[in-house]
Amino acid sequence: NAGVTQTPKFRVLKTGQSMTLLCAQDMNHEYMYWYRQDPGMGLRLIHYSVGEGTTAKGEVPDGYNVSRLKKQNFLLGLESAAPSQTSVYFCASSIDRGAPSSYNEQFFGPGTRLTVL
Amino acid sequence: LAKTTQPISMDSYEGQEVNITCSHNNIATNDYITWYQQFPSQGPRFIIQGYKTKVTNEVASLFIPADRKSSTLSLPRVSLSDTAVYYCLVGVWNQGGKLIFGQGTELSVKP
Repeated sequence: NAGVTQTPKFRVLKTGQSMTLLCAQDMNHEYMYWYRQDPGMGLRLIHYSVGEGTTAKGEVPDGYNVSRLKKQNFLLGLESAAPSQTSVYFCASSIDRGAPSSYNEQFFGPGTRLTVL
Repeated sequence: LAKTTQPISMDSYEGQEVNITCSHNNIATNDYITWYQQFPSQGPRFIIQGYKTKVTNEVASLFIPADRKSSTLSLPRVSLSDTAVYYCLVGVWNQGGKLIFGQGTELSVKP
């Protein structure tokens, strides 16, 4: 099993460009998450999904959109990239234990390092 | 949602026991306490989880006092490879809420 994979690993964008980050998991997990990690800020939740066809906002959703058309995939989109979105993005997945919580062991991908010039 | 507080950084030497304490004063009755480890350029990985008293696995121990307002991650006999950031995670969130990892504790193990 590959676990959680993320595509691409690195990307450089110019301000105003758009892109989509792909997350895939092969563990049949119900829940999937997108985080961003910035120096001194820890991990901040952008959006999450509790099942195919559902999405919800996290702590820092502005400037991002997500889609979960298939259970195994969770896409994060930047419609018009800004320098403030320069960050490392992590995707994670977990099984359904009743509600998204610290009870759900999350499995993380290797991350995508995004730079917006 | 329970807010967690951890030391920003800690130093240790190889072979020592390291204890990292996390405060979560407003932990809810149903909340579990979960710890993650993150190496540079990698995603976090789960290391241990508990609800009360003591939990031990092959990597670490987790001590939780009766009032559950704090927890202590204990790493026995650390090695250089234990140098990482350790996050304490507590809480449940519904749509629009937040599950906050916080800044974590950066542990540096020296030879």
